[in-house]
Amino acid sequence: AQSVTQLGSHVSVSEGALVLLRCNYSSSVPPYLFWYVQYPNQGLQLLLKYTTGATLVKGINGFEAEFKKSETSFHLTKPSAHMSDAAEYFCAVTERGSQGNLIFGKGTKLSVKP
Amino acid sequence: KAGVTQTPRYLIKTRGQQVTLSCSPISGHRSVSWYQQTPGQGLQFLFEYFSETQRNKGNFPGRFSGRQFSNSRSEMNVSTLELGDSALYLCASSFQLAGGLDEQFFGPGTRLTVL
Repeated sequence: AQSVTQLGSHVSVSEGALVLLRCNYSSSVPPYLFWYVQYPNQGLQLLLKYTTGATLVKGINGFEAEFKKSETSFHLTKPSAHMSDAAEYFCAVTERGSQGNLIFGKGTKLSVKP
Repeated sequence: KAGVTQTPRYLIKTRGQQVTLSCSPISGHRSVSWYQQTPGQGLQFLFEYFSETQRNKGNFPGRFSGRQFSNSRSEMNVSTLELGDSALYLCASSFQLAGGLDEQFFGPGTRLTVL
């Protein structure tokens, strides 16, 4: 069965510092991988996704993630944090051939200090 | 293009009652998925509908049911509400090209409180 582990339920960084949110997955077959962001009282917004091809994926708002099959990881990074990045971030996986069924990690709440 | 809309946004019910939540997908999208979000369990997949047929189902009791109409709008019903059903219920829609993977677009959710 697929599963997603996000290390760190809370991460705090200073404005301008590197953001690194960790995600490891478990899947018997190469999955599709996603990062979503959720602002308070809102739904989820897709930041980026990996399906096939280039393992370094660039998303919106300056975020990127690298798919590392050998490490079963899909960590999210941003070189320089902005106050507006404060939100909760979710890593998700779905199996190829499986539609409409995302398996989410528990989420990481990112705080950005001025 | 209008996004995914969910109604109502907030709902308060008492134990034992039933509730129906509604989701209108983005125009042209044929797949609608439902998720439950709670602080303890996080985001969990409930079910997915495509062209009025339930295609996938998560691990929830039979009290949770859904349906999809010919215009792709979907409803989710929870019967005999329990305190633990208090959650944010999110709906997501996607176009679902055959054999492909489409991004799921999420609505703002319905916040259900069971007293």
